[in-house]
Amino acid sequence: GEDVEQSLFLSVREGDSSVINCTYTDSSSTYLYWYKQEPGAGLQLLTYIFSNMDMKQDQRLTVLLNKKDKHLSLRIADTQTGDSAIYFCAEREPRRGKLIFGQGTELSVKP
Amino acid sequence: SQTIHQWPATLVQPVGSPLSLECTVEGTSNPNLYWYRQAAGRGLQLLFYSVGIGQISSEVPQNLSASRPQDRQFILSSKKLLLSDSGFYLCAWSMGLAGSNEQFFGPGTRLTVL
Repeated sequence: GEDVEQSLFLSVREGDSSVINCTYTDSSSTYLYWYKQEPGAGLQLLTYIFSNMDMKQDQRLTVLLNKKDKHLSLRIADTQTGDSAIYFCAEREPRRGKLIFGQGTELSVKP
Repeated sequence: SQTIHQWPATLVQPVGSPLSLECTVEGTSNPNLYWYRQAAGRGLQLLFYSVGIGQISSEVPQNLSASRPQDRQFILSSKKLLLSDSGFYLCAWSMGLAGSNEQFFGPGTRLTVL
């Protein structure tokens, strides 16, 4: 079945790196995504990775994909207070293209 | 550039009243459109998606319906709201099923049913 799991909370200090982890179950997923949701707002697409890639870097964001273990992570370097938000991992169901979302990880950045 | 709008931003409705939420997309043609509900528990549940005018797929049986009267307009409706319909409703669009199919979300509508 389809399932995406994330830990619910993460707290870091400003300037440290944050690592948000996600596991998924559908090994045929072709794309995996990270979204950010600030309070009361919609979801903002941060980045995505194709399943034949191991890593993707975009400025302070690094996505690592371990396809064998079905594990995805998002690393935020030099975390700032403005990074405080809920981060959602999502996998794309290949047959119909719909996205399956995790429950979201609430990142709290302390000064 | 493409933009997606939702209105109203917030809505408080009594149980048993009707509902109509609207979503429109600008700057693209023939998008796939989606309605999600985000309950207090945070997870997103896909309610409906549409690949074209008049084409609606329902993901879960419920008290809601969706319609797509125009290419870039997606409407979520109910004839009689239930308390359990409260939540944050998000509309999203994507370009087809090929490629990366990133979905782009609107600002959402906060619905409270009393």
